[in-house]
Amino acid sequence: AQKVTQAQTEISVVEKEDVTLDCVYETRDTTYYLFWYKQPPSGELVFLIRRNSFDEQNEISGRYSWNFQKSTSSFNFTITASQVVDSAVYFCALSEALLLDNYGQNFVFGPGTRLSVLP
Amino acid sequence: ETGVTQTPRHLVMGMTNKKSLKCEQHLGHNAMYWYKQSAKKPLELMFVYSLEERVENNSVPSRFSPECPNSSHLFLHLHTLQPEDSALYLCASSQEWQGSYEQYFGPGTRLTVT
Repeated sequence: AQKVTQAQTEISVVEKEDVTLDCVYETRDTTYYLFWYKQPPSGELVFLIRRNSFDEQNEISGRYSWNFQKSTSSFNFTITASQVVDSAVYFCALSEALLLDNYGQNFVFGPGTRLSVLP
Repeated sequence: ETGVTQTPRHLVMGMTNKKSLKCEQHLGHNAMYWYKQSAKKPLELMFVYSLEERVENNSVPSRFSPECPNSSHLFLHLHTLQPEDSALYLCASSQEWQGSYEQYFGPGTRLTVT
């Protein structure tokens, strides 16, 4: 069965520091998709990025960057020059393409990392 | 209205009450989902609908009853709930229900069962 681990339960940084959120996954499928979501205090999960297992190219979007390493089964997320508005719970998620008993989407979220950015 | 909306945002109900949560998506998606988010527990997928047909039910107690009358609307009917059912209930939608599509979430309904 697939599994997503986010070992860091809570992280606190001071504004303008860089911070990396770790995500390690387990899957038996060769085709899978990885996601990051942000959940601010308002409660709504906001989609940040999707990566498929065949694309290991790292991605940068503004202050956000993602490092996908298949060799270590990791999909880490770095925020550069953090801001108070980055304070939220961040979830990593995994979805397999493998069809099991006609259930196509097997979407699993990690436990989340609570990031607090202090002014 | 854009995105995924949920009503009500907050709900307090007794264990003998019957209530319903509503979700509506304005994204033209074909799949909709119910999740439960409890304190200190990972997000739990409850139900998945694709084109109004249920495609996944993760062993959810029968006191939770979903309904999907069309691809834009999803309901979660609640009856005789237990205090441990208190949680944030999140609705989501995606273009299709296969794994390659990201899900878009509503703001959630904070449910308290007394």
